[in-house]
Amino acid sequence: KAGVTQTPRYLIKTRGQQVTLSCSPISGHRSVSWYQQTPGQGLQFLFEYFSETQRNKGNFPGRFSGRQFSNSRSEMNVSTLELGDSALYLCASSLGQGEHNEQFFGPGTRLTVL
Amino acid sequence: GEDVEQSLFLSVREGDSSVINCTYTDSSSTYLYWYKQEPGAGLQLLTYIFSNMDMKQDQRLTVLLNKKDKHLSLRIADTQTGDSAIYFCAETTSGTYKYIFGTGTRLKVLA
Repeated sequence: KAGVTQTPRYLIKTRGQQVTLSCSPISGHRSVSWYQQTPGQGLQFLFEYFSETQRNKGNFPGRFSGRQFSNSRSEMNVSTLELGDSALYLCASSLGQGEHNEQFFGPGTRLTVL
Repeated sequence: GEDVEQSLFLSVREGDSSVINCTYTDSSSTYLYWYKQEPGAGLQLLTYIFSNMDMKQDQRLTVLLNKKDKHLSLRIADTQTGDSAIYFCAETTSGTYKYIFGTGTRLKVLA
């Protein structure tokens, strides 16, 4: 079974630009969660999608948005990039239901904002 | 509120035991997890514990949970250089599908 894939793996953008990151979950998984990882801040939860609907949301500004397609693939978009958005963005997929819902992580997309 | 805290660094000698600690604030947490992140990689689930358990052992890993103090620990026996990584604890409440992660503890194993 293929793991969670994220594209691209690396991105360099400049302030004010926008960026779209993609995540393909494990086959059969219907939930995709997104996290921002920065040194000293750990993983900050962005949002979670299940069956094309945003089910959970973290405390990030509206510049961060996402969506999920019918095949469970998900994208996140960051508009008007700021220097502080430089981070590793991780997505995790899971079944999204049941008592114990193990998350499987992708390798991440490293975004650098200049 | 939701908050998970960990110390940032831990250094141990090869062959010693490592103990990584975590405190959380959400008393409704149902499952608590330990993940490992190696350089350039995503997170790998090491083990998890259900909130009605005090201890779970899995080969070299021992998880201890003190629900009263909201304290979770991960003990790695006979620590090896390959254990050098960042370790994250995380908690979730059953049915919410939302996970709160700690800041991560960077474990350095000295040969």
